[in-house]
Order: sequence, then structure tokens, then C-alpha cells
Amino acid sequence: GALVYQYPRRTICKSGTSMRMECQAVGFQATSVAWYRQSPQKTFELIALSTVNSAIKYEQNFTQEKFPISHPNLSFSSMTVLNAYLEDRGLYLCGARGVDNTLYFGAGTRLSVL
Amino acid sequence: AQSVTQPDARVTVSEGASLQLRCKYSYSGTPYLFWYVQYPRQGLQLLLKYYSGDPVVQGVNGFEAEFIKSNSSFHLRKASVHWSDSAVYFCAVSPASSSFSKLVFGQGTSLSVVP
Repeated sequence: GALVYQYPRRTICKSGTSMRMECQAVGFQATSVAWYRQSPQKTFELIALSTVNSAIKYEQNFTQEKFPISHPNLSFSSMTVLNAYLEDRGLYLCGARGVDNTLYFGAGTRLSVL
Repeated sequence: AQSVTQPDARVTVSEGASLQLRCKYSYSGTPYLFWYVQYPRQGLQLLLKYYSGDPVVQGVNGFEAEFIKSNSSFHLRKASVHWSDSAVYFCAVSPASSSFSKLVFGQGTSLSVVP
């Protein structure tokens, strides 16, 4: 079956530092990857859409300078949160789109900022 | 722009009772509709999806949903809930013209199943 692994599951970083999270699609080829954030007590916001060999599209309020994404092949993507502050805390989900056009999500990386 | 409204932030039902979680969307074009579930401290799991065809779609664990275009609704139902169904349920819409990755989520409905 289609599985998406995210690493790490939890991370804590000091305010002003950066952290990188990874997303791995297993058992299928992910034609595109979407990164979402769920801030405390909120729903999921789309950060960016990434398709291999295409430009990454960031949503309003999210920028490449703050959330650089790497998507080198059909099974792997990573995103870094640069200069993290309290408002960046939350659950970061990676969704990988399969050929059936369904978005399969990983369990997420939970970011806490001290 | 599309939007999703889940009017009930919290729902409590007794184990064995039937369930309906409401979802209404706003989108002028052809939508693709999804229900996802988030168990405590976990990510999102797909329950079911609607692309086209039969407006009643079956999902995992006995869940189903009905797309009613005239009402712009996609309510989730289950005939008999189990305590393990306690979780947060998210309805989501994606424009048919998009890459299917651009989901817009509702605020979620927290379901508690009590004995």
C-alpha cells in the first residue's frame, strides 16, 4: 500500500534556529508533494506544492526564504523551517499525491519552539 | 476561492448510535471532496473521497458520505459508532482543475464516543 513517512516525529528547537524535516513516499511514486501546517487549535494550511522538475508554488503567507523545500525525486522531499519562532510551532504534514490523485499524508512532524 | 464549513466543532454520541458529521463547501466549479480523520497525536488518514459518479461513497471502517450538489454538502455518516472512532474529522475540498494536492480543509469536528 501507499505509505508516507515523515521524520522526525517530534522536534524542539530554540527560537531563531532552524530545523529540517523529511518526507518519504513508500510503495508508490509521488507525482507531487504538498506541505501543510496545523497550528495549535487550527485547521491545516497549505504551505507549498512541489512537483518534481517544476517550480515550487508557495501559498500566500509562506515563502521560500522561510520554508525552503527540496524535492529531488519522486519519493523524497524535505522542508526546512528557517529562523523558527513561536508562531511556527505546530504539526507539519507532508502529503504525497499518488497516480490515483489521492493525497496520502504522513504522521507529521511536530515542531515546538522554545 | 473555495471554502469548507464544518458547523459542529464537537459532537458526542453514544457507542452503537448512528453518526452524521456535517460538511458544506463553497466552490463554483466541480469539486473533489474528501473526509480525513486525525487520531490523537497522529497525522491525517483518508476515510473516503468523491470524484464523480455515485454520490454515495463508501469508506473505511463503515463510514460513508453523500455528495448533494444542490445543497453543496458532503456529510459523513456511520450506522453504528465504536469508541475507537473518537477522533477529529476533517472535510476537505479540492478544485477538479487543480493538481488534487491543493486541499482546503474545514475546521474539523471532534468526535467523542461515550459508553
